[in-house]
Amino acid sequence: KNEVEQSPQNLTAQEGEFITINCSYSVGISALHWLQQHPGGGIVSLFMLSSGKKKHGRLIATINIQEKHSSLHITASHPRDSAVYICAVRSAAGGTSYGKLTFGQGTILTVHP
Amino acid sequence: KAGVTQTPRYLIKTRGQQVTLSCSPISGHRSVSWYQQTPGQGLQFLFEYFSETQRNKGNFPGRFSGRQFSNSRSEMNVSTLELGDSALYLCASSKQGTGELFFGEGSRLTVL
Repeated sequence: KNEVEQSPQNLTAQEGEFITINCSYSVGISALHWLQQHPGGGIVSLFMLSSGKKKHGRLIATINIQEKHSSLHITASHPRDSAVYICAVRSAAGGTSYGKLTFGQGTILTVHP
Repeated sequence: KAGVTQTPRYLIKTRGQQVTLSCSPISGHRSVSWYQQTPGQGLQFLFEYFSETQRNKGNFPGRFSGRQFSNSRSEMNVSTLELGDSALYLCASSKQGTGELFFGEGSRLTVL
């Protein structure tokens, strides 16, 4: 079993729909990152979380440390949101916050107009 | 403010050769980390440097090495290239080890 599991692997939506991507992890962490990668493009960091909830525009990220689970929500989805969304966790190693980053396999989101 | 710069962007090598990739972080960022991305394995962590010291290393063979210079620029080297080393190599910088990550566009390596 991977340390970081994302679901779903593929997601197709119509423009305007509310979208949720889930990330579950099995190790203790110091931080969780949500990343976005467009086809042929670089990676952009969307959120870095260690607790609670963050919002940026139409994007919302939540994390439940006790349940080892995070969700990324996109409200009023748009075709330009089509991309791969990747969850990454930084393990809490040896009492420091300099653990390794482990990535989920990514969720391919396609939003149709 | 200039972003993270990786060079070269594309390169082709043959098996057995070695390659050096360069990463210039955002000004003021002292942490640089490297990642390998392949269609089969996805993104995998290679190593992380902070103030010229390797702070973490992923599960890659010793053929993969890196270093960081006093100006925070970093290089990674892969020796004795194998076909399976064909990948997109990404670096990211952050102000501190656990800060927000800023990724470069990557160096796409093809090994023939």
